[in-house]
Amino acid sequence: ELKVEQNPLFLSMQEGKNYTIYCNYSTTSDRLYWYRQDPGKSLESLFVLLSNGAVKQEGRLMASLDTKARLSTLHITAAVHDLSATYFCAVDARNLIFGKGTKLSVKP
Amino acid sequence: NAGVTQTPKFQVLKTGQSMTLQCAQDMNHNSMYWYRQDPGMGLRLIYYSASEGTTDKGEVPNGYNVSRLNKREFSLRLESAAPSQTSVYFCASTKRPKAADTQYFGPGTRLTVL
Repeated sequence: ELKVEQNPLFLSMQEGKNYTIYCNYSTTSDRLYWYRQDPGKSLESLFVLLSNGAVKQEGRLMASLDTKARLSTLHITAAVHDLSATYFCAVDARNLIFGKGTKLSVKP
Repeated sequence: NAGVTQTPKFQVLKTGQSMTLQCAQDMNHNSMYWYRQDPGMGLRLIYYSASEGTTDKGEVPNGYNVSRLNKREFSLRLESAAPSQTSVYFCASTKRPKAADTQYFGPGTRLTVL
């Protein structure tokens, strides 16, 4: 059974700090997705990572994929309050298998 | 483009009642999906339709049925609702899943079963 584990599940950060969210998965896959969900809202696509070593950046967020380690990271640089949300990774194993999400709270 | 739309937004049912959740997309996508989201559980796939005319079970299909009415519409039916089906339901679609196109999600239906 494919497992997708995110950590931490909860993250409280101060504005201006850096941090990394980790997504480990238990089977071979070279496709990984990151989504953002605001409270009470739908999911919004952030990144699609399609090969080993893939790195994508958008604003203060940077995602990477290491398929050999079965690990993806979402790095947050100089956090701002607007980044407060829940972040999900999802691994493509014929269908998407989602992690449980990381609830990020950025405080002034 | 409206993207992916879902109706209703909220619904309260009594145990044993039935209902159908509607989903439509106007992006000419081939594949459509139904997920449920429970606190602390992420999203779990209920059913999916890889293309018009086909449907398949996902991770948690028990208690649900689906219909791919046409390329645009994919409905989810609860025949006899149970409290364990209290959840937020999301519909999603994608154009080319084999090409790793991302999935686009609807706004969700918040369902409570008493």
